[in-house]
Amino acid sequence: ETGVTQSPTHLIKTRGQQVTLRCSSQSGHNTVSWYQQALGQGPQFIFQYYREEENGRGNFPPRFSGLQFPNYSSELNVNALELDDSALYLCASSLKNSPEAFFGQGTRLTVV
Amino acid sequence: QQQVKQSPQSLIVQKGGISIINCAYENTAFDYFPWYQQFPGKGPALLIAIRPDVSEKKEGRFTISFNKSAKQFSLHIMDSQPGDSATYFCVPSSPNSGYALNFGKGTSLLVTP
Repeated sequence: ETGVTQSPTHLIKTRGQQVTLRCSSQSGHNTVSWYQQALGQGPQFIFQYYREEENGRGNFPPRFSGLQFPNYSSELNVNALELDDSALYLCASSLKNSPEAFFGQGTRLTVV
Repeated sequence: QQQVKQSPQSLIVQKGGISIINCAYENTAFDYFPWYQQFPGKGPALLIAIRPDVSEKKEGRFTISFNKSAKQFSLHIMDSQPGDSATYFCVPSSPNSGYALNFGKGTSLLVTP
């Protein structure tokens, strides 16, 4: 059984650019959630995907979007990057309606 | 609206001591009460969790105590070790929100040798 894996581990982008982060969910898990964690803060919920559809969203603007694929893997896309988007982006997988969520190691995004 | 209050914000404990972190909540729809542990640069890891029909759960050196009437739960780390130094988050969740996790700032624990 494999855990949650995210790629890349680190990324540097320029303000205004677009970025795609990837997540492979834990084997058997059908729900993926994305979180943003700024330095010194707790993770903030961005959105959740189930059956390839967005299933809940936090207080993030539309330039944060996502996809879930038939194999339950997921992407987080951020357009028009801003300096404040610099953070650790975390992916968590779970079973639908199960409260147990398992996190990946995260992608450290730096916007310059 | 702040639904969860965790305290203290930071904690320093000597090796072998007991670390205690408290969490108070308001939302009575919460039905899952986990503690997550996070080391710097890593993702949070589910440490231990409890359901509201149980008042205490112990896993090794880690214990959750749950008081439903007071809407509080706590994490006790017995025989604290330097390797326990991390940030701890209480993140109660509800099926009404698909068990989305609403993290606060957590508690930074430092265990000194």
